[in-house]
Amino acid sequence: TQLLEQSPQFLSIQEGENLTVYCNSSSVFSSLQWYRQEPGEGPVLLVTVVTGGEVKKLKRLTFQFGDARKDSSLHITAAQTGDTGLYLCRGGSEKLVFGKGMKLTVNP
Amino acid sequence: GAGVSQSPRYKVAKRGQDVALRCDPISGHVSLFWYQQALGQGPEFLTYFQNEAQLDKSGLPSDRFFAERPEGSVSTLKIQRTQQEDSAVYLCASSYSVPRIRDRVRYEQYFGPGTRLTVT
Repeated sequence: TQLLEQSPQFLSIQEGENLTVYCNSSSVFSSLQWYRQEPGEGPVLLVTVVTGGEVKKLKRLTFQFGDARKDSSLHITAAQTGDTGLYLCRGGSEKLVFGKGMKLTVNP
Repeated sequence: GAGVSQSPRYKVAKRGQDVALRCDPISGHVSLFWYQQALGQGPEFLTYFQNEAQLDKSGLPSDRFFAERPEGSVSTLKIQRTQQEDSAVYLCASSYSVPRIRDRVRYEQYFGPGTRLTVT
């Protein structure tokens, strides 16, 4: 069974702080996606990474796919209250595996 | 709007009742997925349709769960004889592409807001 473990599971920070979220697996994935989900809504795709070592930037968000394609990280610079939400990673495989998510709260 | 819609948004059922959850995908989207999201967890895959064909139902937790998409657009997820462990948010997602299984995640899926099912 392919599993994706995310850490930390919960994070509460002040506006302006930086943070990094990790997504790890013992399995190799063909690609990996990061989503953000707000309460009462479905997940919204942030990025897809497909190449080992790939780095993608989306404004204040930086995504990296590990060289071995088993792990990924999401770094947020100068967090804002609008970044609050559940951050999910999903690995590309037949079973479309999601991690449990990291619940981020950014306080003003 | 042009997004994925789901109804009802909230459903309370007594244990043993049957429920039907509806998903209206984005017009023209070929692929449709159902997921179950328990409280504090990530979504778990239930089933996948390509047009009206149910190509993968390996994630359905029991034979009480049944999904259909008879005309290749609207889909219904039916749960018979609901149990308390069925309480969760049920998410529907659609995608324009018809990906190969291993590439399924490469194509953006648009999620609906979900139906929160509470079984009492």
